[in-house]
Amino acid sequence: SQQGEEDPQALSIQEGENATMNCSYKTSINNLQWYRQNSGRGLVHLILIRSNEREKHSGRLRVTLDTSKKSSSLLITASRAADTASYFCATDALGGTSYGKLTFGQGTILTVHP
Amino acid sequence: DAGVTQSPTHLIKTRGQHVTLRCSPISGHKSVSWYQQVLGQGPQFIFQYYEKEERGRGNFPDRFSARQFPNYSSELNVNALLLGDSALYLCASSPRGGGTNSPLHFGNGTRLTVT
Repeated sequence: SQQGEEDPQALSIQEGENATMNCSYKTSINNLQWYRQNSGRGLVHLILIRSNEREKHSGRLRVTLDTSKKSSSLLITASRAADTASYFCATDALGGTSYGKLTFGQGTILTVHP
Repeated sequence: DAGVTQSPTHLIKTRGQHVTLRCSPISGHKSVSWYQQVLGQGPQFIFQYYEKEERGRGNFPDRFSARQFPNYSSELNVNALLLGDSALYLCASSPRGGGTNSPLHFGNGTRLTVT
């Protein structure tokens, strides 16, 4: 089963607008990661935030993590048509029995219109 | 530097057949993980290998097996294929095993269709 639940399932915006995607999870974590996937190809790692961090920035990306609420958000600022893709959050569970396992959410499909 | 490479890119098999998927990790990476992604869903963890040993197994039947070779490349084998095995199979590598806050580097996957 998927631990991460992402919201919204789909998001459609205009170029230049900001896009916010949310992720909730159920168990304690070592870290939470965000990945991007274009048209059913491989996933590309965007950003990793550790359980003791609250906010992290990378270029136009901003990720927040609230471990008390077991939730995270990904903000993409000044979006571009090239940002159109599926975005997934993934959790690395604390003390997991499956060594090195990431649990992915079902993803948010982002469409940015030129 | 070459990324993670997977072969073949596409594959069509018939129910009951066997399939072998191959993965070469990024040079220097010793950990390889396999994920299954059904259309419209997120990837699901199948196996992780580190230093040629199985270090993690997801909730998949025994029809699924894998191994890692001395050069750290890996194979995923699926026996007695079912229609429900149709999916994108993703391989990912990382320098070390889990618990080290290392991101995964994914290949472009093998699209398996079972008819």
